[in-house]
Amino acid sequence: DIQMTQSPSSLSASVGDRVTITCRASQSINRFLNWYQQKPGKAPKLLIYDAFTLQSGVPSRFSGSGSGTEFTLTISSLEPEDFATYFCQRSKGYSFGQGTKVEIK
Amino acid sequence: QVQLVDSGGGVVQPGKSLRLSCAASGFTFSSFAMHWVRQTPGKGLEWVASISYDGNNKYYEDSVKGRFDISRDNSRTTLYLQMNSLRLEDTGLYFCARGRIAVAGGQHFDFWGQGTLVTVSS
Repeated sequence: DIQMTQSPSSLSASVGDRVTITCRASQSINRFLNWYQQKPGKAPKLLIYDAFTLQSGVPSRFSGSGSGTEFTLTISSLEPEDFATYFCQRSKGYSFGQGTKVEIK
Repeated sequence: QVQLVDSGGGVVQPGKSLRLSCAASGFTFSSFAMHWVRQTPGKGLEWVASISYDGNNKYYEDSVKGRFDISRDNSRTTLYLQMNSLRLEDTGLYFCARGRIAVAGGQHFDFWGQGTLVTVSS
């Protein structure tokens, strides 16, 4: 089974910072990678699919890149509402990474 | 607007059964694959099961195969998860989600229910 590993597991950042989260697959998954944001007590929200396609309504400060085994989610300038936990997910097979919690510094 | 409402969770003893429901509205339910995802303290987010738009194809995570059954009633626009032989490790918050097929062929989960809590405890 293909394992998804995110790093870091948590990070502290300030409003306005550029933040990068990495997701690695144990074998190549081409571009079959989604990113979600989850806030406490809420369901996950789709941000990006097919590695870099922004879901409708998601701010353009979010971007995704990568292919094969290594992917990144970048928030170009952190806003207060972006403090949350972020998950990657294979879009074929559907397994998730363990999450990255973005906290206020 | 698209809405998914999860229900049916509760406290149940190990070995017992529970049926979850997900009532869908605001879209053509019969055109979309649907999924169940759970969130547990031990494993984080975990895909549980999927069903094709017409109900003819079902897929399960290994740990629930043979115990859980995903089904749908397109006339009632409702998704179900029948959970049998429940184990302590099945405890978690269960979400239904709509699957959308991307151009490249993978699926992403673009709308989610609010979740329903299942607690397996003796």
